[in-house]
Amino acid sequence: GQQVMQIPQYQHVQEGEDFTTYCNSSTTLSNIQWYKQRPGGHPVFLIQLVKSGEVKKQKRLTFQFGEAKKNSSLHITATQTTDVGTYFCAGRGQGGSEKLVFGKGTKLTVNP
Amino acid sequence: NAGVTQTPKFQVLKTGQSMTLQCAQDMNHEYMSWYRQDPGMGLRLIHYSVGAGITDQGEVPNGYNVSRSTTEDFPLRLLSAAPSQTSVYFCASSYSTSGRYEQYFGPGTRLTVT
Repeated sequence: GQQVMQIPQYQHVQEGEDFTTYCNSSTTLSNIQWYKQRPGGHPVFLIQLVKSGEVKKQKRLTFQFGEAKKNSSLHITATQTTDVGTYFCAGRGQGGSEKLVFGKGTKLTVNP
Repeated sequence: NAGVTQTPKFQVLKTGQSMTLQCAQDMNHEYMSWYRQDPGMGLRLIHYSVGAGITDQGEVPNGYNVSRSTTEDFPLRLLSAAPSQTSVYFCASSYSTSGRYEQYFGPGTRLTVT
């Protein structure tokens, strides 16, 4: 079945450093979503990418969807302590699949 | 709107007991799903529903039952609790089954099975 791999599993940075998490699917995706989960909280939707090669920005966050629609990345510029949490990618397969498969997430900690 | 609500927030069960985790949404969403979250395992889909009266299995359905009699409610039943079902359970909903809409998650239920 469809698998979504996400790396790294953990990332510790100093405040002000950049951060990137990568997501790779075993199959071509129709779209990919990114979520953020603060410690003790629930996942919150950040963005969805649909088109091959798509790039979207939200302030310091940049999201990319690969040309083959099998990989994606989230890059945070100049991290802040408010960026702490676990970032998940979630991919939906092609062919009308209703199942969203989540990566295992990247836990980001930021040292002030 | 309350969004997605889940009850209870915490629950402790003994092995073999049964219980129902409640989930409700007031956004008139068609699609609802249940996930479990274990350390280092991410979110794994248990069951999902694309509308009232329609349910299907996800990645880890064994030991769980669901039903969807109304658009608003999507309860998850543990038939005979086992320690392996100790986890945090999240219910989620989204606007449509087209696969192109964000999911809204509830606050979660933390379940411990002893």
